Amino acid sequence: GENVEQHPSTLSVQEGDSAVIKCTYSDSASNYFPWYKQELGKRPQLIIDIRSNVGEKKDQRIAVTLNKTAKHFSLHITETQPEDSAVYFCAASWDTGKLIFGQGTTLQVKP
Amino acid sequence: NAGVTQTPKFRVLKTGQSMTLLCAQDMNHEYMYWYRQDPGMGLRLIHYSVGEGTTAKGEVPDGYNVSRLKKQNFLLGLESAAPSQTSVYFCATAWGANEQYFGPGTRLTVT
Repeated sequence: GENVEQHPSTLSVQEGDSAVIKCTYSDSASNYFPWYKQELGKRPQLIIDIRSNVGEKKDQRIAVTLNKTAKHFSLHITETQPEDSAVYFCAASWDTGKLIFGQGTTLQVKP
Repeated sequence: NAGVTQTPKFRVLKTGQSMTLLCAQDMNHEYMYWYRQDPGMGLRLIHYSVGEGTTAKGEVPDGYNVSRLKKQNFLLGLESAAPSQTSVYFCATAWGANEQYFGPGTRLTVT
């Protein structure tokens, strides 16, 4: 069935370093790949997304890359800051906008 | 402009009791979704709706029912609550198969 695997489950970096989170998906028909950030006790919020006709997208310190052949996509955060600490979720969409989420990555940025 | 709201914010039920969670949106979005979030499991889709009067099953629909009688409201019902339904429930809305906007969540405990 539809599945999204996310790694690592936890990630600890020093402030200013880069962080990379990777996801793989099972269904080659998926065409929309959002990333959500969730702070403790808060709702998930979209930070960046990419569609299947694009290989890379950047927004300031955040970038997402997509490899359709390998069926994986990655989130890259550069120059990490303590406020980047949160849980990050990748997701993939098949049809009707149904999102299948990865298990989440807890990112800790140490000052 | 309230965006996406959920009622109630917290609820404690006893096994076998029933309840309805309400999601309301003023964004004029066609698509609405119900997710549950459990520790280490990410968000899992329960049911969704692509328009007024339509509903469909997601990944984990058993034990839940939904209704979308009005475009702005999406109701999630638990007919006979079980401890396994203890979770945080999030509603989300979208304009088509695009970015989903999440509500603040409902924390449900079933004892």
